[in-house]
Amino acid sequence: GNSVTQMEGPVTLSEEAFLTINCTYTATGYPSLFWYVQYPGEGLQLLLKATKADDKGSNKGFEATYRKETTSFHLEKGSVQVSDSAVYFCALSDDGGAQKLVFGQGTRLTINP
Amino acid sequence: DAGVIQSPRHEVTEMGQEVTLRCKPISGHDYLFWYRQTMMRGLELLIYFNNNVPIDDSGMPEDRFSAKMPNASFSTLKIQPSEPRDSAVYFCASSLGGTQYFGPGTRLTVL
Repeated sequence: GNSVTQMEGPVTLSEEAFLTINCTYTATGYPSLFWYVQYPGEGLQLLLKATKADDKGSNKGFEATYRKETTSFHLEKGSVQVSDSAVYFCALSDDGGAQKLVFGQGTRLTINP
Repeated sequence: DAGVIQSPRHEVTEMGQEVTLRCKPISGHDYLFWYRQTMMRGLELLIYFNNNVPIDDSGMPEDRFSAKMPNASFSTLKIQPSEPRDSAVYFCASSLGGTQYFGPGTRLTVL
């Protein structure tokens, strides 16, 4: 079945560092890919998405490119801020039209000033 | 739009009591999902509806859990009787066109 594997956390960086959180997936068909972010005490918020191969999703300085050849959707940001501290979830959609999402286990990111 | 609304935000109850969690999806969305999040098991999909009809409840842990969606703007998740292992944050999400939008969650503590 479909699955998502994320980089093990937690990840701790200094402010202004470069961020990469790895995400790889296994899927049949052509799923859409998502990154969600969960700030402490809140629900998940959509950060960005990509719906087909080579698409790049971007938002708030974060980017991720849908790489079908490597089945990856790595999240990157050039210069992180303390306010980026959160848990990040990679997810893929069920291509069968059911609109279910399969989530990775989440990666906790802490940014130190 | 106000987004997905969940109530209550926090619930503390004693083992054996009935618990009802409520969700109002975003207007016009045709899918509704219930999730549970714990440290041990992460984010689990419990059940989802399409146009108010339950489509897949294979994630519901046992018969103590039930969910209903009587109309397009309201859904409930009920646990009866509740047990301490049900303590978790329960999220509702709705979607239209494949992107899910989550509510703020209900933190349930069963003593």
